[in-house]
Amino acid sequence: EVQLVESGGGLIQPGGSLSLSCAASGFTVSSSYMSWVRQAPGKGLEWVSVIYSGGSTLYADSVKGRFTISRDTSKNTVYLQMNSLTAEDTAVYYCAKGQGAWGQGTLVTVSS
Amino acid sequence: DIVMTQSPLSLPVTPGEPASISCRCSKSLLHSNGYEYLDWYVQKPGQSPQLLIYLGSNRASGVPDRFSGSGSGTDFTLKISRVEAEDVGVYYCMQTLQTPFTFGPGTTVDIK
Repeated sequence: EVQLVESGGGLIQPGGSLSLSCAASGFTVSSSYMSWVRQAPGKGLEWVSVIYSGGSTLYADSVKGRFTISRDTSKNTVYLQMNSLTAEDTAVYYCAKGQGAWGQGTLVTVSS
Repeated sequence: DIVMTQSPLSLPVTPGEPASISCRCSKSLLHSNGYEYLDWYVQKPGQSPQLLIYLGSNRASGVPDRFSGSGSGTDFTLKISRVEAEDVGVYYCMQTLQTPFTFGPGTTVDIK
């Protein structure tokens, strides 16, 4: 069974950094493209970043230069390093496997 | 960016009756490989989004056959043949033809 478990969210001050993890089971993260998608409180879904099976990465303009997606195949885990956080980055962050399973999400709150 | 619109944004339904949601895109989602890169997700209250339909018309594993997806190019439709109480939630269309992947604003389905 495919499962994704996100972790690493929390309360962080503006300008701070946070690293999210997405531990996968039931498949290998390098076999499919993996995305991060976020949902601000009470809002819709916003795609953030993708890492393809070949390792190439792409980002939404709103996070380009601040966020970095990566993976560790030995741990079967995908990461999202988030720097220079602002209040606009406050959201539940989901990781998703290609066209398929999503995790339960992890809440990131950027506030002083 | 590909802009996604959905209609209606709110859909009160009667159990046992059919329901339909439209998704329109600012650019054709037809890839040169012949696939339409349009997916449908539902986010039930308090849950993460779950895949219903992928590549325009393919039901995801475990999705009841009362759900069907159709359409091509820029116009797509999600149909529920007979709505059940458990179908309440927010339905999103999403394009994965090109980055940034984009979502529709969501259609809230609730019971009359």
